[in-house]
Amino acid sequence: QVQLQESGPGLVKPSQTLSLTCTVSGGSISSGSYYWSWIRQPAGKGLEWIGRIYTSGSTNYNPSLKSRVTISVDTSKNQFSLKLSSVTAADTAVYYCASVTPTIWGGYYEYWGQGALVTVSS
Amino acid sequence: QSVLTQPPSVSGAPGQRVTISCTGSSSNIGAGYDVHWYQQLPGTAPKLLMYGNNNRPSGVPDRFSGSKSGTSASLAISGLQAEDEADYYCQSSDSSLSGVFGGGTKLTVL
Repeated sequence: QVQLQESGPGLVKPSQTLSLTCTVSGGSISSGSYYWSWIRQPAGKGLEWIGRIYTSGSTNYNPSLKSRVTISVDTSKNQFSLKLSSVTAADTAVYYCASVTPTIWGGYYEYWGQGALVTVSS
Repeated sequence: QSVLTQPPSVSGAPGQRVTISCTGSSSNIGAGYDVHWYQQLPGTAPKLLMYGNNNRPSGVPDRFSGSKSGTSASLAISGLQAEDEADYYCQSSDSSLSGVFGGGTKLTVL
C-alpha cells in the first residue's frame, strides 16, 4: 500500500517561499500508476486543490495559484515537492500530498499524507 | 467560493438515511467527469469514500452509496451510525484537468 509523508518548515515568514516535500513509500513514484498532487485546507475551511504532477514532469496548477506555485518530482528519492512563493497569512493551512488515481474522466485521491500545518507569520 | 456546491450541514438520527448533494456545472460534472467523495474525521486527513460516482473502495460499508445525474451528484448514507459523524467532500475535474472540490458538508448524527 502506498504511503505518503509531508515534511518541511511549519513556519514561514510573509513574502517568503513555502517549501514542502512529500516522500512516497510502498511503491515507485515513477511507476505510472498514479499522478501526484498537493491539496490544502485552511483551518475550519474546505479543501483547495493546488496542483498535480505527472511522472513525466508535466504539471497542472490551480489557476488562482498558478503564478506562485511550482510542483516538481525527484524520482531518485521517490519524492515530489511544492514551492509556493510570496506567501501571505492567507496561505496558512494544512497542506496534504496525495496520490491521484487517473481515470478516463478525471482522477481521484486514493492515498493521502497525514498533512503538514504551515503557518505564515512574522 | 468552491466550484462544486454542497449543503453546509445535514443531520439525522441513528438508523436514518441522509443524502448529501453536490452541484456542479457543464464545465465539470455536466461535462461527464466522474464525482468522488471523501470522509474527513476531525483532525485527520480526508479518506476516499466513493470513486467513479458509485464505487466503494475496499472496507467502505455498503451503507454508503453514490449517484450522478446531469450536473449533480449525491452521496447517500443509510443506517446512520454515530461513527459517520464527519465532514464529507465531493470532488470532480474540469476540462483543464484541474481538481475541483465542494465546500464540504458537516454530518451530525443526532
